[in-house]
Amino acid sequence: GAVVSQHPSRVICKSGTSVKIECRSLDFQATTMFWYRQFPKQSLMLMATSNEGSKATYEQGVEKDKFLINHASLTLSTLTVTSAHPEDSSFYICSARGDGSNQPQHFGDGTRLSIL
Amino acid sequence: GESVGLHLPTLSVQEGDNSIINCAYSNSASDYFIWYKQESGKGPQFIIDIRSNMDKRQGQRVTVLLNKTVKHLSLQIAATQPGDSAVYFCAETYTGRRALTFGSGTRLQVQP
Repeated sequence: GAVVSQHPSRVICKSGTSVKIECRSLDFQATTMFWYRQFPKQSLMLMATSNEGSKATYEQGVEKDKFLINHASLTLSTLTVTSAHPEDSSFYICSARGDGSNQPQHFGDGTRLSIL
Repeated sequence: GESVGLHLPTLSVQEGDNSIINCAYSNSASDYFIWYKQESGKGPQFIIDIRSNMDKRQGQRVTVLLNKTVKHLSLQIAATQPGDSAVYFCAETYTGRRALTFGSGTRLQVQP
């Protein structure tokens, strides 16, 4: 079946550091990928939609200069958390879907980001 | 709409029993629904989906029921096993929208 790979699985770094997270679709091309954030015991909150070859679409309240998204190929999207602070600590999850309507999104295994 | 919550509702069942997890949605335009299973520390895993032109769909040990009149979705798991213990989320979208809106989730605990 479809596989989405996310890397790294865990990051621990100091405040002020920028962190890059990669999301790859391994066996299908994804013109669209999604980035979510999940706090403990809560649901997934959509941060942005990543579009191959064009700018990402951010949800209301998500700072585009804080969370930089690049979708340079049909199989890779990256999320960079710039100048991370403790309040950015969270579980970040990406997903990808194939083309066509009513296609399910397939998720990576997430990145646990801890900012000290 | 947004999904918020300080804690997840929990459904506790005995191994071998059937489980029913419910989900309500609010957008009458939603026409595609998905159930996901999320184990601790992992991303959501696709279980089953259903389109609005159907009211029931069956998979292996799972059945999804859709009631568009009351905007309600349920996931039935037959002969629940300890490996089914996880958090289950429903998600919805509509034609023309690529992103999903997730429900608040239900934790399923299976007692051996």
